[in-house]
Amino acid sequence: KQEVTQIPAALSVPEGENLVLNCSFTDSAIYNLQWFRQDPGKGLTSLLLIQSSQREQTSGRLNASLDKSSGRSTLYIAASQPGDSATYLCAVSGYSTLTFGKGTMLLVSP
Amino acid sequence: GAVVSQHPSWVICKSGTSVKIECRSLDFQATTMFWYRQFPKQSLMLMATSNEGSKATYEQGVEKDKFLINHASLTLSTLTVTSAHPEDSSFYICSATRGSFEQYFGPGTRLTVT
Repeated sequence: KQEVTQIPAALSVPEGENLVLNCSFTDSAIYNLQWFRQDPGKGLTSLLLIQSSQREQTSGRLNASLDKSSGRSTLYIAASQPGDSATYLCAVSGYSTLTFGKGTMLLVSP
Repeated sequence: GAVVSQHPSWVICKSGTSVKIECRSLDFQATTMFWYRQFPKQSLMLMATSNEGSKATYEQGVEKDKFLINHASLTLSTLTVTSAHPEDSSFYICSATRGSFEQYFGPGTRLTVT
């Protein structure tokens, strides 16, 4: 059974810092990996999707990497802003299902 | 494109009553829809997978007689929580796919059972 772990569970940084969120998964037989953002009481916003054959994806200040063989992914956020404050979820896709981690709660203070 | 809506966004109901949550794909036909539940500070847990016109497949530990799923068309799936109890209070999120492995998520429904 796939298990997804995200570290740290919570992170608080001052505005402007670069930061890294970590995600690990136990079964490397995945189709893709996604990073989502979730604001309190809201649904999910897809940030980046990395296919299993890819090593990384970039969107603006966000860069996600995938090392499938070691079961790891990182989400790099450059020049963090208060508006980045949210919970970031990592999810890996098996044949037809997504398995989510518990998320990293990020707080960026002005 | 690939917008998924949910209705209602929040609902309060009394213990013992039933409540229906709708999930719609607005601009595409969804081959498969998924229902997730999320408790506070917890991850999303898959409850069931549904394909249009067929019975839903429930995850282990999810009571299919309590959580009724109807996927009547390619754009609509409904989740009915029957005889709701306070422990059913949670955030319910649906998602839909259009043939690939990428899932598009709805905004979620907050259910509170008093």
